[in-house]
Amino acid sequence: AQTVTQSQPEMSVQEAETVTLSCTYDTSESNYYLFWYKQPPSRQMILVIRQEAYKQQNATENRFSVNFQKAAKSFSLKISDSQLGDTAMYFCAFMDSGGGADGLTFGKGTHLIIQP
Amino acid sequence: GAVVSQHPSWVICKSGTSVKIECRSLDFQATTMFWYRQFPKQSLMLMATSNEGSKATYEQGVEKDKFLINHASLTLSTLTVTSAHPEDSSFYICSARDPDTFSQPQHFGDGTRLSIL
Repeated sequence: AQTVTQSQPEMSVQEAETVTLSCTYDTSESNYYLFWYKQPPSRQMILVIRQEAYKQQNATENRFSVNFQKAAKSFSLKISDSQLGDTAMYFCAFMDSGGGADGLTFGKGTHLIIQP
Repeated sequence: GAVVSQHPSWVICKSGTSVKIECRSLDFQATTMFWYRQFPKQSLMLMATSNEGSKATYEQGVEKDKFLINHASLTLSTLTVTSAHPEDSSFYICSARDPDTFSQPQHFGDGTRLSIL
């Protein structure tokens, strides 16, 4: 079974700063997907970014980028030019690539607070 | 984009009542849907995998007789919390995968807040 660890329960930065959220995982699989989800107070799950394990290039989506280190089993999220609307819970998640029958394994989350 | 509808969004009921939550994929057919539970200030935990036309697969520690899952069509899965008690109060979220987009992540419903008095 895989595990996902987020070691930062809460982080707070000033608006416009850059912040990095950490995530490590453990798996014996070679092919898998990793995700970062944002959950605002509305509790809606919003996909921020995803990474296929077989791709060496780090994924980027506008202000969001990841640092994927497969050998170290690390998958950190960098948010550049942070905005007040980025305030939310952020969950790192793992999904096995086999057959589409697997649910997501989530980390415990990081509560990110962007200060004005 | 793909949309998953979950209903109801909030339900309050008395202890001992059974509550049904619906999860629908609106613009794709989902052979597999997933049910998660999220307690306050905690992460999402996978409860079970709902398979169209067959029995659900439950995660360890989840009582299958307590949480009944039915996936009778390619667009609808239901979760019934039977004889609910206050400890079942939680946020329940469903998700579905579009089989035509294998590499795409799961599409989440907006969740159901269940409060048992």
